[in-house]
Parts: sequence; C-alpha cells; structure tokens
Amino acid sequence: QSVLTQPPSVSGAPGQRVTISCTGSTSNIGANFDVHWYQQLPGTAPKLLVSTNFNRPSGVPDRFSGSKSGTSASLAITGLQAEDEADYYCQSYDSSLKGWVFGGGTRVTVL
Amino acid sequence: EVQLLESGGDSVHPGESLRLSCAASGFIFPNYAMNWVRQVPGKGLEWVSAISASSAATYYRDSVKGRFTISRDNSKNLLFLQIHSLRVEDTAIYYCATNLTQGVAWGQGTTVTVSS
Repeated sequence: QSVLTQPPSVSGAPGQRVTISCTGSTSNIGANFDVHWYQQLPGTAPKLLVSTNFNRPSGVPDRFSGSKSGTSASLAITGLQAEDEADYYCQSYDSSLKGWVFGGGTRVTVL
Repeated sequence: EVQLLESGGDSVHPGESLRLSCAASGFIFPNYAMNWVRQVPGKGLEWVSAISASSAATYYRDSVKGRFTISRDNSKNLLFLQIHSLRVEDTAIYYCATNLTQGVAWGQGTTVTVSS
C-alpha cells in the first residue's frame, strides 16, 4: 500500500491526452511539499520528468506537464506517442514518516 | 554533469550482510542530504533511508530499522548503506538519490539478491 495513490494504468491512442493523478494527504502533498514525477522504462533507472510540481528538466518534451492542488498532483501527457509507453511514478516528502514517499506507479499504454 | 554510481550489490543468503556504496560527482556532495531507494523487480519504488548533509540525522523506513545503517564520507563523496540480517524480501535494486537544486538525481542502481 503506497502512501501516494496513483491509478494502476491509463491508456490512450496516439495523439491523445492522458492524465495521471497522484493523491496524498495533509502530511505530504497537502503540507506543501514538492511533487516530482518520474518515467521508468523496463530495465532502467527512473528518469526525472517533472521537478518541484511543474518544472521540466532540460530535454524533457513540453508534452509533459505537472500540476498540484491541495493534497493531489497530476501529470498530463499531451500528443501521446508510442515512446511514452512506460511506468510513471509520483514522489513527495512525508513529515510524519520523515522520508520520501512514492505512488504505486501507473503503466501508460499507447493503443 | 551529476553522477551517482552505486556498487556493492551481490547474491547472498538470508542472514548475511552487505555494504552498498554510492560514489557522487558533479555537485557539492557535502551540501546535500542523500537517500537510498529500492525497487523489487516488477514492483514500485520504495524509500529506504536518508541522511542529512552533515550526517547529524538519519532516517529509516520501519521495516529496515535496526538492520540497515546509512552513513557518508563527505571527504570522499561517498554514501553507504550497511545491511545486516538480510531477508528474502530485501531482494531489490538499490538506488542512491538526492534532491539537488536542479532536480532529483538518481544512480543506475545496484542489485541485491537474497535467496537460500
């Protein structure tokens, strides 16, 4: 059971827009701790996709965007491409656990 | 360029010990807290432990308290994770990671396999 809640899977056709939600609580996202998003391809380390809620590191396409409100955050992928098929994780900090917390991961499938 | 390079992973028997290392470069290591995160193959990411920049504070998830010890050597830009009394459920890829000003950086991971 992950501290942050993500849907197990989302899917969309090429070119469509999909969103991944990340729901936390008042001890993590709701306490105004930053949310980071990662993309993980099979057999590789997580790759930072969105940093501190909505900032994209250099090299990340602007098709990826992050947002945050209250105790939740979201990752949107617009113009879905076949190469976007991967697992996506959200991450924040929890003041009760005094450590990083993750969502359970969302598998994105391009139909 | 920021780099984190883990090492020390191995295949061991239950009850044995291991020390994982993470060599950091490309940023001012003594200025940043460091973390260990693990991932069971096919499963999600799980935070394991953290250490403050000066080593004054250390933190662990409940399931590893008393068995795992995190430490660092700021003179050598090294992070460590000493693991005692390994269990089958500790089998995972172990990553070191840190939240830098420019974003969260991760290593490529080192694999720990515990089986009888």
